[in-house]
Amino acid sequence: NAGVTQTPKFRILKIGQSMTLQCAQDMNHNYMYWYRQDPGMGLKLIYYSVGAGITDKGEVPNGYNVSRSTTEDFPLRLELAAPSQTSVYFCASSSRTSGRVVYEQYFGPGTRLTVT
Amino acid sequence: GQQLNQSPQSMFIQEGEDVSMNCTSSSIFNTWLWYKQDPGEGPVLLIALYKAGELTSNGRLTAQFGITRKDSFLNISASIPSDVGIYFCAGQLPGGSEKLVFGKGTKLTVNP
Repeated sequence: NAGVTQTPKFRILKIGQSMTLQCAQDMNHNYMYWYRQDPGMGLKLIYYSVGAGITDKGEVPNGYNVSRSTTEDFPLRLELAAPSQTSVYFCASSSRTSGRVVYEQYFGPGTRLTVT
Repeated sequence: GQQLNQSPQSMFIQEGEDVSMNCTSSSIFNTWLWYKQDPGEGPVLLIALYKAGELTSNGRLTAQFGITRKDSFLNISASIPSDVGIYFCAGQLPGGSEKLVFGKGTKLTVNP
């Protein structure tokens, strides 16, 4: 298993540009998450999904959009990039087993985004 | 939102020393998780704790779920240079939420 994969690894955007950060997992996990990590800070939840077709906002959703058309993929869309969105973005996934949510989340390697 | 207070913020130790770090909260958590993040990488799960009072080891790492359910600690014994990184605690709130709350991390430096 590749686990959780993210592309691209690095990206520089100009203010106002848009882009999609890709995330895929091959562990058949129901739940997927997008976090951002700013220097010296913990991880802040942007959006999450409990299954295909179902998404919900996290702590810091403004400026972002997500979709979940398949179990495997959970792309994050930035429509009008702003300098405040300069950050490292992590995708994660977790599963449900025998009716119990397994809270251990598994993370991808991250996408480092700079908006100038 | 909910906050986890993780301490210390950073530690500088000599190789071979033991390390202890902890997380506290004013809220009760159902699950505590400890992650390690190497530079330029995503967090990697070290230990998961599901019951109050639970003590779990993973090699030289030992973590405990506090009896009050409001805290957890992580110990690393006989540190080695590859222990360098940022250690995060994370907690899952009661109520069946799939979401985790993360601490701000403890940055560990190990001098050979």
